[in-house]
Amino acid sequence: GDSVTQMEGPVTLSEEAFLTINCTYTATGYPSLFWYVQYPGEGLQLLLKATKADDKGSNKGFEATYRKETTSFHLEKGSVQVSDSAVYFCALSDRGSQGNLIFGKGTKLSVKP
Amino acid sequence: DAGVIQSPRHEVTEMGQEVTLRCKPISGHDYLFWYRQTMMRGLELLIYFNNNVPIDDSGMPEDRFSAKMPNASFSTLKIQPSEPRDSAVYFCASSSGTGRNNQPQHFGDGTRLSIL
Repeated sequence: GDSVTQMEGPVTLSEEAFLTINCTYTATGYPSLFWYVQYPGEGLQLLLKATKADDKGSNKGFEATYRKETTSFHLEKGSVQVSDSAVYFCALSDRGSQGNLIFGKGTKLSVKP
Repeated sequence: DAGVIQSPRHEVTEMGQEVTLRCKPISGHDYLFWYRQTMMRGLELLIYFNNNVPIDDSGMPEDRFSAKMPNASFSTLKIQPSEPRDSAVYFCASSSGTGRNNQPQHFGDGTRLSIL
């Protein structure tokens, strides 16, 4: 079945460092891909999405490019801030899934001042 | 605009008691999802509805768990009887079915459930 694999955390970075969180997927169809972020004590929020190959999603300085050839959707940010500390989830939604999302296990990011 | 509203935010109860979690989805959304989040298992989909009809309940762990959606603006997740291993954060999410697979889900802030 469809699945999402994320790099395991936790990831600890200093402020202004470059961030990459790896995400790869397995899907039989042509999925849409998402990154969600969960701040402490809150629910998940959509961070960005891409719906077809080579699309780049971006928001709040974060970017991810839908790479069909490598089945990847890696999350990047050029300069992280303390306020980016959160858990990040990669997810996919396949056309046949009727809106259901398949989530990765999440990667916890801690940014130190 | 109001987001997904869950209640209560926190629930502490003794094992064996009935627990009812509530969710009000975003108006106009026709999909509703219930998730459970724990440190050990991460985020698990329990059940989801489309137009108030349960579509997939394969994630519901046991018969002690049940979910209903009597109308488009309300859903409940019930655990009876509750057990300590049910302690987790339970999230409700909703989405619009238009364009199906590229619509994001909108999450509530969750209910933190502790069974003593």
